[in-house]
Amino acid sequence: AQSVTQPDIHITVSEGASLELRCNYSYGATPYLFWYVQSPGQGLQLLLKYFSGDTLVQGIKGFEAEFKRSQSSFNLRKPSVHWSDAAEYFCAVGPLNNAGNMLTFGGGTRLMVKP
Amino acid sequence: SQTIHQWPATLVQPVGSPLSLECTVEGTSNPNLYWYRQAAGRGLQLLFYSIGIDQISSEVPQNLSASRPQDRQFILSSKKLLLSDSGFYLCAWSPRADTQYFGPGTRLTVL
Repeated sequence: AQSVTQPDIHITVSEGASLELRCNYSYGATPYLFWYVQSPGQGLQLLLKYFSGDTLVQGIKGFEAEFKRSQSSFNLRKPSVHWSDAAEYFCAVGPLNNAGNMLTFGGGTRLMVKP
Repeated sequence: SQTIHQWPATLVQPVGSPLSLECTVEGTSNPNLYWYRQAAGRGLQLLFYSIGIDQISSEVPQNLSASRPQDRQFILSSKKLLLSDSGFYLCAWSPRADTQYFGPGTRLTVL
């Protein structure tokens, strides 16, 4: 069965500092990987996705993520965090090769940004 | 472009009362549709998904049910709410074999 682990439940960084959110997955085939962001009381917004090709994926709001098959990881990065990045971040993995197209989500990482 | 709506945005209901949450998608046809729940401080739990009208799969046994009366409409229901049904309910849609896109959510409080 597939699973996603986000080891850090909470992370606090200073505004302007770099950010890396960790995501590790367990999946028996080629994974399709996603990062979503959720602001308080809002739905999830897609930041970026990896299906194939270049393992470094660029997303919206200045985020990027790198797929490392050997480490079963898909970590999210941003070189300089803004106060508006404070939110909860979810990593997800899915097969995308069946009709249901279901995703497995990690437990989320809550990011707080210090001024 | 495609948009997804959820109604209502917030809801406060007494224990034992019925529930009906609505999700509609515009700008696409024959989408996959999903209902998720987020309990306070917890991740996403998939409740139901649908690959077509009257084709609904339940992922978690509970007192909730889902229906898809039209291609782009997905409804989450309950006959009698429990306190444990409180949470944030998210609807999502996806094209076949592609990304899921989420609605704005409904905050349900059961008192």
